[in-house]
Amino acid sequence: DVVLTQTPPTLSATIGQSVSISCRSSQSLLHSNGNTYLNWLLQRPGQPPQLLIYLVSRLESGVPNRFSGSGSGTDFTLKISGVEAEDLGVYYCVQSTHADTFGAGTKLELK
Amino acid sequence: VQLVESGGGLVQPGKSLKLSCSASGFTFSSYGMHWIRQAPGKGLDWVAYISSSSGTVYADAVKGRFTISRDNAKNTLYLQLNSLKSEDTAIYYCARRRWEYWGQGVMVTVSS
Repeated sequence: DVVLTQTPPTLSATIGQSVSISCRSSQSLLHSNGNTYLNWLLQRPGQPPQLLIYLVSRLESGVPNRFSGSGSGTDFTLKISGVEAEDLGVYYCVQSTHADTFGAGTKLELK
Repeated sequence: VQLVESGGGLVQPGKSLKLSCSASGFTFSSYGMHWIRQAPGKGLDWVAYISSSSGTVYADAVKGRFTISRDNAKNTLYLQLNSLKSEDTAIYYCARRRWEYWGQGVMVTVSS
């Protein structure tokens, strides 16, 4: 199984600060069709997850453009350029190139 | 788009349960669907996937015990849970193929 390792497990930020979350895969996530199926989700407390980024860097409709994704192969990053209060929660990377797996999550909290 | 799970509850170890996910607002038959679970206070755990043509894939932890299926005429996704263990206690979510739509989840508690 593909293992996704997210760091850091917890992130403390002030409003307006820019932060990054890393997601490293135990195998390349480049599919034979040329796509890399690495997505980012945010789960706010008491809510189901919501999709932020798909195919590494594509912003889901309705998601603010302060969120951005980058990376390739086995190393991926989610960046939030100017944290807002509504961004607090747990961030997960999920890959669908192989049998789907989630990272363990990164909790973003206020400093 | 709306996904609504049902069928959860309290069940004894070794027993069975069948979850449903009712879909609306899109052409259900055209999309693959996932089941995902989240144990209390824990992270997300992918359970199973069924393609639009009913091909299935399972996580190792549930292979042989859980069965994912769909009824396109009823716009409904199912998860049959057999031989339940305490470690299967979780909120179970259904989600559309690209993770863009999720249900609110249904709680399954396995306890004697």
